Amino acid sequence: DQQVKQNSPSLSVQEGRISILNCDYTNSMFDYFLWYKKYPAEGPTFLISISSIKDKNEDGRFTVFLNKSAKHLSLHIVPSQPGDSAVYFCAASETSYDKVIFGPGTSLSVIP
Amino acid sequence: GAVVSQHPSRVICKSGTSVKIECRSLDFQATTMFWYRQFPKQSLMLMATSNEGSKATYEQGVEKDKFLINHASLTLSTLTVTSAHPEDSSFYICSATSSSSYNEQFFGPGTRLTVL
Repeated sequence: DQQVKQNSPSLSVQEGRISILNCDYTNSMFDYFLWYKKYPAEGPTFLISISSIKDKNEDGRFTVFLNKSAKHLSLHIVPSQPGDSAVYFCAASETSYDKVIFGPGTSLSVIP
Repeated sequence: GAVVSQHPSRVICKSGTSVKIECRSLDFQATTMFWYRQFPKQSLMLMATSNEGSKATYEQGVEKDKFLINHASLTLSTLTVTSAHPEDSSFYICSATSSSSYNEQFFGPGTRLTVL
């Protein structure tokens, strides 16, 4: 049973436009959510996180929105740049001291 | 940011042999290291959590006698795939943290294992 779901395996966006990556989860005990970015043949790198006490966290071009009632979060990238092309993993944990559960990833292609 | 390396980056071996993968934290002391496995187009699956100087904690369904983990120092953890079979072929990624918070993980670049 997949606790963290990313239903779009891939997404293509024009450079300069907004990229919206979605993530749904099933475990209501999840309290901390993270997004990682991964280039081919490299390990994931941390991008941005949000705890359940917030509904939005912003860091430069990246904003994560959390809707706890819907068990849904999204990552917005604006404006999108070709260098943003990568696989984005949504992840969650019950507390910051628990293991992190990863979603299957969404491959983002930003077209120049 | 903190750097984690893995060696080798790619390994091909014959069925029945054992393969050791090293994970090193280069500029920090890793109190906890994690080993993940990723199948094509699938998520990172946590295999085990290891703390320096103690036995690794394996996730359900992961055979501890097949995937031997040693975390002998604060900068090195090793994963040994024993008696490898073609179904063990996968991308193995380690991560490390110096914090008690498991959310502050730094990932290695991964090791592509192919078992013939």
